Amino acid sequence: KAGVTQTPRYLIKTRGQQVTLSCSPISGHRSVSWYQQTPGQGLQFLFEYFSETQRNKGNFPGRFSGRQFSNSRSEMNVSTLELGDSALYLCASSDPTGNEKLFFGSGTQLSVL
Amino acid sequence: SQQGEEDPQALSIQEGENATMNCSYKTSINNLQWYRQNSGRGLVHLILIRSNEREKHSGRLRVTLDTSKKSSSLLITASRAADTASYFCAYFTGGGNKLTFGTGTQLKVEL
Repeated sequence: KAGVTQTPRYLIKTRGQQVTLSCSPISGHRSVSWYQQTPGQGLQFLFEYFSETQRNKGNFPGRFSGRQFSNSRSEMNVSTLELGDSALYLCASSDPTGNEKLFFGSGTQLSVL
Repeated sequence: SQQGEEDPQALSIQEGENATMNCSYKTSINNLQWYRQNSGRGLVHLILIRSNEREKHSGRLRVTLDTSKKSSSLLITASRAADTASYFCAYFTGGGNKLTFGTGTQLKVEL
């Protein structure tokens, strides 16, 4: 089984631009969650999607949004980028059997200049 | 913030030695998990311990959980250079699959 796939691996943007990151979960997994990792704040939860519906949301501004498609693939979007949005963005999927462990992708490293 | 705290922040040991990392958390939990991250890449699940368990083993890993103190520890025995990574405790908060992570311990195992 293929693992969680995130694209692109690296991204460089400038302030004010917007960006879309993609995540394909493990086949059969319906829950996709997103995390931001920075040296200062550590790993922080952004949001979770399950069956195309946002099930949970972290404490991030409205510039951060996401969606999930019928095939469980998910995208997150950040509009009006700020320097502080530079981070490693990780997505994770979990299987429907409820074994409670998450499977993470390798992440997208976003640099905002 | 419900973020857990881990200590030490960094740990450097020789190959063959044991490494112990500690995690303190702030809320009631159903289970606590440990993840490993190699050099800024994705996290890999290591082990999960439920709130009604006190100790769990998996290979060279031993995890303990003390819910009265809201703390957990991860012990890696007979460490190897390949164990060099960051280690995070994590637990579910707020429903669904929302994980709250600890601050992490950077482990370096030297030859």
